[in-house]
Amino acid sequence: EVQLVQSGAEVKKPGESLKISCKGSGYSFTSYWIGWVRQMPGKGLEWMGIIYPGDSDTRYSPSFQGQVTISADKSISTAYLQWSSLKASDTAMYYCARLGYYDSSGYQICVYYWGQGTLVTVSS
Amino acid sequence: SYELTQPPSVSVSPGQTARITCSGDALPKQYAYWYQQKPGQAPVLVIYKDSERPSGIPERFSGSSSGTTVTLTISGVQAEDEADYYCQSADSSGTYPYVVFGGGTKLTVL
Repeated sequence: EVQLVQSGAEVKKPGESLKISCKGSGYSFTSYWIGWVRQMPGKGLEWMGIIYPGDSDTRYSPSFQGQVTISADKSISTAYLQWSSLKASDTAMYYCARLGYYDSSGYQICVYYWGQGTLVTVSS
Repeated sequence: SYELTQPPSVSVSPGQTARITCSGDALPKQYAYWYQQKPGQAPVLVIYKDSERPSGIPERFSGSSSGTTVTLTISGVQAEDEADYYCQSADSSGTYPYVVFGGGTKLTVL
């Protein structure tokens, strides 16, 4: 069974650093892109960026370039999302997502498996 | 930049048909995918490759594509279908998949 299990909720102060995690199991972790998705309170889904754990190729959506760092440790099948200096506007639910769904016609660039989400609250 | 546009809200009565649109210039060249998200839950894939249903998704969910617009149709809407719906597409012409979500549509069942 494919699972993505994320780390627990975090409460931080502005200016603090944070690293949240997403552990994959039940599939070849190095063979699928893992993405991170932000959902601010009451707002929509925003694709932040992706990493290919097989070779750590990492790409960011323009809005998130320079704001966060995505990484992965394939030895423990875990992807990470980190901030060096949090802002109140980083308060959101963050989902990890395995990009890729196979059907009879092949590979589809969508998300079938999601993590349960990590709520990050940044407040003084 | 690559954008997908959805109406903010759609309202229907139970048993009626709901149609949610998603527009984007790249949609004639790329597939669209649809997700349902209920409060406090992660999204669920309900349509992939414009019109295919993953296993376990009720037949009342269907998708279609015409030019720069894709449409999610829910026939015989039920109260449990009240949720936010997001379209998604991806540009795979480069060396990595560039993924974009639409802004989301809140479906209200009256």
